[in-house]
Amino acid sequence: EADIYQTPRYLVIGTGKKITLECSQTMGHDKMYWYQQDPGMELHLIHYSYGVNSTEKGDLSSESTVSRIRTEHFPLTLESARPSHTSQYLCASSELGGTTYNEQFFGPGTRLTVL
Amino acid sequence: GENVEQHPSTLSVQEGDSAVIKCTYSDSASNYFPWYKQELGKRPQLIIDIRSNVGEKKDQRIAVTLNKTAKHFSLHITETQPEDSAVYFCAATDFYNQGGKLIFGQGTELSVKP
Repeated sequence: EADIYQTPRYLVIGTGKKITLECSQTMGHDKMYWYQQDPGMELHLIHYSYGVNSTEKGDLSSESTVSRIRTEHFPLTLESARPSHTSQYLCASSELGGTTYNEQFFGPGTRLTVL
Repeated sequence: GENVEQHPSTLSVQEGDSAVIKCTYSDSASNYFPWYKQELGKRPQLIIDIRSNVGEKKDQRIAVTLNKTAKHFSLHITETQPEDSAVYFCAATDFYNQGGKLIFGQGTELSVKP
């Protein structure tokens, strides 16, 4: 079944550690996004990609980086985790579209806690 | 850039009553307005959307209205049920020039009491 997968679902890690949050989609979508969301609060776009080798920063400044080497894979990396990075990270994808308005489909999220 | 304001932040209604959530946006170029529902511990899911060339759209108990002049749009839920309890987010984008980047409102926590 076509879906968006995120791993790990929960991560508790110490300050200074390097972490990579994985996101994969089998939707066949070109566009992928990363959002940061505190529980029940506003979604903030931190990174997006329109296809392979395309990455852009979102509206919320983030110390994380992303890569898009394969269409279905969009990992997010934090080189040195800090307590201020504690949040939920949601991955999403949508069709490339054109003049159509395309629904964004979300993954289940990774809840990150940095001690 | 676009800014989306959403009100109220919390809303409590009795089962069977109607619920209305309102959003305003700042960029007159915005042309696509989706609404997402996020149940506790789950991922956001699209429940309805509207384009700028339409004033109203309805899907069973859910409707969305858009006033381009005033730059606001609203979500209407009729005959609310306990399973409608969730956080609802509005969003806006200029799809042609922003490529689908959504700017979300702050969210409304809807509680439907049986």
